Amino acid sequence: QVQLQESGPGLVKPSGTLSLTCAVSGGSISSSNWWSWVRQPPGKGLEWIGEIYHSGSTNYNPSLKSRVTISVDKSKNQFSLKLSSVTAADTAVYYCARGRRITIFGVVSYYFDYWGQGTLVTVSS
Amino acid sequence: QSVLTQPPSVSAAPGQKVTISCSGSSSNIGNNYVSWYQQLPGTAPKLLIYDNNKRPSGIPDRFSGSKSGTSATLGITGLQTGDEADYYCGTWDSSLSASYVFGTGTKVTVL
Repeated sequence: QVQLQESGPGLVKPSGTLSLTCAVSGGSISSSNWWSWVRQPPGKGLEWIGEIYHSGSTNYNPSLKSRVTISVDKSKNQFSLKLSSVTAADTAVYYCARGRRITIFGVVSYYFDYWGQGTLVTVSS
Repeated sequence: QSVLTQPPSVSAAPGQKVTISCSGSSSNIGNNYVSWYQQLPGTAPKLLIYDNNKRPSGIPDRFSGSKSGTSATLGITGLQTGDEADYYCGTWDSSLSASYVFGTGTKVTVL
């Protein structure tokens, strides 16, 4: 059974950088899956932040692309998120998730089958 | 700012059926598979439906999914109090700014 666990500071100062790590257990991060970050502001909906493959290939939400970096550490079986220049609008529960993505003749099948429990990050001075 | 539109809320009595719509466009639902997620209060989302209408192991057949054109629908039959949750659709958007997109979310209330 694959398990994902987020970790990192729960409080970040405005204009600072949010840094989170997702540890993967019960499976290899080098498997044929994409690894994503998703966030949810309090009382609001889900927003996809971006994804990484074990090769290091990444894709980001266009609305966050200029501030986001996702990296992978295969030796530790984990991946990480950095979000720079944060404001109060970045306050949210941050989830990591495993994405199953297959593209056949241009049609994309993509879904998240395992999720971490989520971690609340508050941006405040 | 989501490109997938869902009704904010739906409700029904125990044992009844509810349907939740998810409206998108040709760059997302129209040309890619849709998945659905259930989020119980205070918990992480859980995969309910993938590839439009497939259920992961352990998901009861009370939950069903369908897609037609640029819209998708989640159905829940035999509604139970434990089904009270937020439900989100999701899919890949293949536009120039390719990314995964979620629906606006729907709160299901069991009366």
